[in-house]
Amino acid sequence: EDQVTQSPEALRLQEGESSSLNCSYTVSGLRGLFWYRQDPGKGPEFLFTLYSAGEEKEKERLKATLTKKESFLHITAPKPEDSATYLCAGWQGGSEKLVFGKGTKLTVNP
Amino acid sequence: DTEVTQTPKHLVMGMTNKKSLKCEQHMGHRAMYWYKQKAKKPPELMFVYSYEKLSINESVPSRFSPECPNSSLLNLHLHALQPEDSALYLCASSQNPGGADTQYFGPGTRLTVL
Repeated sequence: EDQVTQSPEALRLQEGESSSLNCSYTVSGLRGLFWYRQDPGKGPEFLFTLYSAGEEKEKERLKATLTKKESFLHITAPKPEDSATYLCAGWQGGSEKLVFGKGTKLTVNP
Repeated sequence: DTEVTQTPKHLVMGMTNKKSLKCEQHMGHRAMYWYKQKAKKPPELMFVYSYEKLSINESVPSRFSPECPNSSLLNLHLHALQPEDSALYLCASSQNPGGADTQYFGPGTRLTVL
């Protein structure tokens, strides 16, 4: 069964304390790995798409990387406004479906 | 511009009401999606439209009826809902159906069924 597993479920950081979120996947024929940020009561906001192992993408304090089995979202010197739930999703080859992980809730304290 | 708009933002309805949710995108995307999201859970796919035709129905109860009037609009008609249908309903769109293209989400409609 196709699965996307995110860890940790929740993460508390102090402002400026860098860390990483993990997304491991067992999606057959994975054709894309997506990261979204979601604030409470709002729709997911697109962050990154990764298509092949070794690929890296950056945006401000965020950097996403992809290996053959997992993806990492690195957060460098986070700020309180980075607090949100971060969702990882895999696109299964041959279907029109995203397989979502359960998300990591990040809290950054000032 | 990667904007998907949804109306209304909030909706409260009784179990005997009929209401509709609306979604619009002007990015020329040919795939549109409806998702349902319960609190502290990831989005759950309901329907997929490819080139204005329904291509995936994830065994959603018939009290939810999707409609795609044209390539920019997507509706979700609601009738005789149950309290457990209360959730955040999200619309999304992507460039090409069946491809691993980025899905862009709207802000959602918060639905409460009394």
